Amino acid sequence: NAGVMQNPRHLVRRRGQEARLRCSPMKGHSHVYWYRQLPEEGLKFMVYLQKENIIDESGMPKERFSAEFPKEGPSILRIQQVVRGDSAAYFCASSQISRGAGYNEQFFGPGTRLTVL
Amino acid sequence: QQQVKQSPQSLIVQKGGISIINCAYENTAFDYFPWYQQFPGKGPALLIAIRPDVSEKKEGRFTISFNKSAKQFSLHIMDSQPGDSATYFCAASKYNNNDMRFGAGTRLTVKP
Repeated sequence: NAGVMQNPRHLVRRRGQEARLRCSPMKGHSHVYWYRQLPEEGLKFMVYLQKENIIDESGMPKERFSAEFPKEGPSILRIQQVVRGDSAAYFCASSQISRGAGYNEQFFGPGTRLTVL
Repeated sequence: QQQVKQSPQSLIVQKGGISIINCAYENTAFDYFPWYQQFPGKGPALLIAIRPDVSEKKEGRFTISFNKSAKQFSLHIMDSQPGDSATYFCAASKYNNNDMRFGAGTRLTVKP
């Protein structure tokens, strides 16, 4: 019973390059969330997606960042023209489809640590 | 804006002691309060959670105390062990809402 998978675990990019982070949710989960964690800081919500839909992107920077969760395949967080300030750990979490009641526990992946040189 | 404030930022406790981490929230619509535990190099994992219809929830050595009127909740770790050394995050969200807000985290070190 595999948990949330993220790859790569570590990613190094030079300024101006693109970074693509992948997240495969737990089996049966159709909700995906992306968070950013800066050193010595908490988790900052970025975006919440369901299959083929962006539900809430209120935490996403307005430029250079985008996310998708296609019908088939993993969710992708894409950062274009990376800058040093993008260096952080990016975590993906998934939860089950809402059944109209209760709380959807979020299960986290191991994260992708992005370093921008 | 920071909707969940967590303190202290770091905490050192002797083995066998009690670790206490506090959180305060602003949005009265929040009604689900989980605590997550994160070890270095790993993703956060749900530790224990509470809803505001109870004032306390205990699971083993971990207890959440909840004060609805003060909009505060805390995590107590009894008989703290070196293996408890990790970063702890409190969080809050609304019922049936997937938008969860996290505190800044507390780095706990339990000395043997």
